[in-house]
Amino acid sequence: DGGITQSPKYLFRKEGQNVTLSCEQNLNHDAMYWYRQDPGQGLRLIYYSQIVNDFQKGDIAEGYSVSREKKESFPLTVTSAQKNPTAFYLCASKFRDRGRRDTEAFFGQGTRLTVV
Amino acid sequence: AQSVTQPDIHITVSEGASLELRCNYSYGATPYLFWYVQSPGQGLQLLLKYFSGDTLVQGIKGFEAEFKRSQSSFNLRKPSVHWSDAAEYFCAVGAFYGGSQGNLIFGKGTKLSVKP
Repeated sequence: DGGITQSPKYLFRKEGQNVTLSCEQNLNHDAMYWYRQDPGQGLRLIYYSQIVNDFQKGDIAEGYSVSREKKESFPLTVTSAQKNPTAFYLCASKFRDRGRRDTEAFFGQGTRLTVV
Repeated sequence: AQSVTQPDIHITVSEGASLELRCNYSYGATPYLFWYVQSPGQGLQLLLKYFSGDTLVQGIKGFEAEFKRSQSSFNLRKPSVHWSDAAEYFCAVGAFYGGSQGNLIFGKGTKLSVKP
């Protein structure tokens, strides 16, 4: 079945450690996104990538890093510089239809990161 | 700047009653609009989308939404709510971001509770 897989579902890390969240998709989508979700805040864009080997900062990129070496994969690293990393992280992907302005995003099931 | 406002943080309705969730957007051009639903601890599922054409769009699970350009609104409706509809609902607009198309701007969500 096609879809987006985020792993792990739950992640616990000590303060000051870097941690990497995995996001893999087999939908052949060009664009991939990372969002952070906090209660009452909606979804805030961290990073996005429209094509392989290229990515752009979103609204809250500080303390995060990404890579896009393969079309299928868009891992997110939460670094020790992120002041408040405990949150629910969602990965999404989209097909880039060059004849239209936008298409719907498909989401993974999320990773809940808790830093203690 | 593009933005989405969902005025109601939390709504409670009785099972079998009708539902309307409000969404207002700010966007300079014709928007692409989406409604997503999220169950606790899960990713987002697309309910419906508006790209162009008929302003009343039908979605999954018996939901519909009406695009009203004059009011900059895209309200979600359901004639009879089921207990399984209890979830959080997000309205989103497709927006240009930093010169790259296709990023979604989300509202902060409306949590729906359903009374038996």
